[in-house]
Amino acid sequence: QVQLQESGPGLVKASETLSLVCSVSGGSMNNYYWGWVRQPPGKGLEWIGYISHTGRTNYNFSLRSRVTISVDTSKNQVSLKVNSVTAADTAFYYCARDVAVPSHYFDSWGQGTLVTVSS
Amino acid sequence: SVLTQPPSASGTPGQRVTISCSGSSSNIGGNTVDWYQQFPGSAPKLLMHGNTQRPSGVPDRVSGSKSGTSASLAISGLQSEDEADYYCAAWDDSLNGLLFGGGTRLTVL
Repeated sequence: QVQLQESGPGLVKASETLSLVCSVSGGSMNNYYWGWVRQPPGKGLEWIGYISHTGRTNYNFSLRSRVTISVDTSKNQVSLKVNSVTAADTAFYYCARDVAVPSHYFDSWGQGTLVTVSS
Repeated sequence: SVLTQPPSASGTPGQRVTISCSGSSSNIGGNTVDWYQQFPGSAPKLLMHGNTQRPSGVPDRVSGSKSGTSASLAISGLQSEDEADYYCAAWDDSLNGLLFGGGTRLTVL
């Protein structure tokens, strides 16, 4: 059974770059997409974007100018970078496996990691 | 949220509860709907996909439906362990992105 684990700094300064890594184990990255979803404390879910195992990406329109998702299948890892962060980027960040076909939905999730943006 | 859910729902043990998710022709109207369950302090879990498909391990007292630009999640034989937050999700063709509903907190009285 596939397992996903997010890792990265829990505290980021405003205007700097948030960087997280999702390590995938127990399954192949092939034939799936890999997504990121975030959730501000006490609020709802927001889709950030996805990447295919071949590197095809699609991002939430509202975050597109600041977000980069990359994949390294040799390391079984997916990375997320969010530039120029503000307090509004404080959230739990989840990586998830996106089935993609016939539609985009997440069948496995990481436990999530809280990133706090400090001023 | 573009996908509209009631912020709360409630029922007593054994009852049937439904949670609605309202959208538009660019999302629910033209694509399938998925549902996620989230307990406090935990990651979301897939509860329903493709409008009506239950992943392995989800009991058959949980069902989904879609009609036009709205979808519903129904839980019958309500149990205390169903108390959680529920989110609908659907692809939006106009935004070319995935949308989540605002979430519904289900309370078992």
